[in-house]
Amino acid sequence: SQTIHQWPATLVQPVGSPLSLECTVEGTSNPNLYWYRQAAGRGLQLLFYSVGIGQISSEVPQNLSASRPQDRQFILSSKKLLLSDSGFYLCAWAGQINEKLFFGSGTQLSVL
Amino acid sequence: RKEVEQDPGPFNVPEGATVAFNCTYSNSASQSFFWYRQDCRKEPKLLMSVYSSGNEDGRFTAQLNRASQYISLLIRDSKLSDSATYLCVVNRDDKIIFGKGTRLHILP
Repeated sequence: SQTIHQWPATLVQPVGSPLSLECTVEGTSNPNLYWYRQAAGRGLQLLFYSVGIGQISSEVPQNLSASRPQDRQFILSSKKLLLSDSGFYLCAWAGQINEKLFFGSGTQLSVL
Repeated sequence: RKEVEQDPGPFNVPEGATVAFNCTYSNSASQSFFWYRQDCRKEPKLLMSVYSSGNEDGRFTAQLNRASQYISLLIRDSKLSDSATYLCVVNRDDKIIFGKGTRLHILP
């Protein structure tokens, strides 16, 4: 069966520090991969999605970047965190276009 | 206009009652539709897909109206454990767009 792993579960970082969140999927090949952010009390905002290795689509201009170095690995990064980067970050995968989405357990990021 | 819109609620409903949520979407090219449930500080979890013919899963019924571009979720005989935020999800090409969710509180 397919599983998705996301870590760390919580992270506290100072403003200006770098960020790297990692997500891996097991049990499937060539998944569509997604990064979402959910600010406190707000909806899910799509940040990036990827349909294949090295293929990244960005939904909103921001302080973050994403990379997909391997088929089942998706990384969210920042060179310098801002206070506004705080939020609940969720990685997700889908098998094909228009299929249902499955989420990792999320990373609660607090930038202080 | 937002691509996916939901009434944020909260809906405060007594246990055992029936509750219905609607969700509207703006892009007629949207291809598939889902309802997700999210508990506080947790990841969203798939509740059910939504098909044009309507579909039912136990106490939950989902409907899709493509002409009017809305999706509905009906919960019958509501339980305390149904308290959560319900997210409407619309797929278009490679994009999966979430509504902001409707909060439901089931009251004992």
